Amino acid sequence: GAVVSQHPSRVICKSGTSVKIECRSLDFQATTMFWYRQFPKQSLMLMATSNEGSKATYEQGVEKDKFLINHASLTLSTLTVTSAHPEDSSFYICSALKGASTDTQYFGPGTRLTVL
Amino acid sequence: QKEVEQDPGPLSVPEGAIVSLNCTYSNSAFQYFMWYRQYSRKGPELLMYTYSSGNKEDGRFTAQVDKSSKYISLFIRDSQPSDSATYLCAMRGSNYKLTFGKGTLLTVNP
Repeated sequence: GAVVSQHPSRVICKSGTSVKIECRSLDFQATTMFWYRQFPKQSLMLMATSNEGSKATYEQGVEKDKFLINHASLTLSTLTVTSAHPEDSSFYICSALKGASTDTQYFGPGTRLTVL
Repeated sequence: QKEVEQDPGPLSVPEGAIVSLNCTYSNSAFQYFMWYRQYSRKGPELLMYTYSSGNKEDGRFTAQVDKSSKYISLFIRDSQPSDSATYLCAMRGSNYKLTFGKGTLLTVNP
């Protein structure tokens, strides 16, 4: 199998606080993970590519100091939304590449972030 | 022009109908094409993956790619209420970065 989990599934926080979202590959090692954001009735937009042991690569327009990504192990990547504001409210989804010889991304179930 | 355009829907069909979902793209560098199914408030689930022009069949699902026209389709035969979901096309070039369509919301009515 190829199972990816995310925690928490839902989080509500106050404006100005920071929120950490975890993405774990449960039954495989993932050297590369991706973080997406999805607004209502919109598609998934890639935010950043997370590589184990190195700095994340951010897409144009995504603030790296606001969305901190840490990929400290082959099974865990974290996304921290710092000083969250209501406009950061969205559905955040991670995916993981299974192995080096395959290019299939397996997606987590997503995290619904609501900033009040 | 967006790199990937997808029929917005929503699409509502009776159970047993054949469903056709479509995407067009403008980037000639796209080589690999995928269809994902996403249930409400869940992550996308890979349905089909193709990299060559032509048809690929998996059970009730058929993925069709026409690289000359930059057009891809997903056909669902004998549609079931459990097929009700949002269907996303996705594609990529030589790197791993996926570009998604907006998704088509499908409802299959019993």
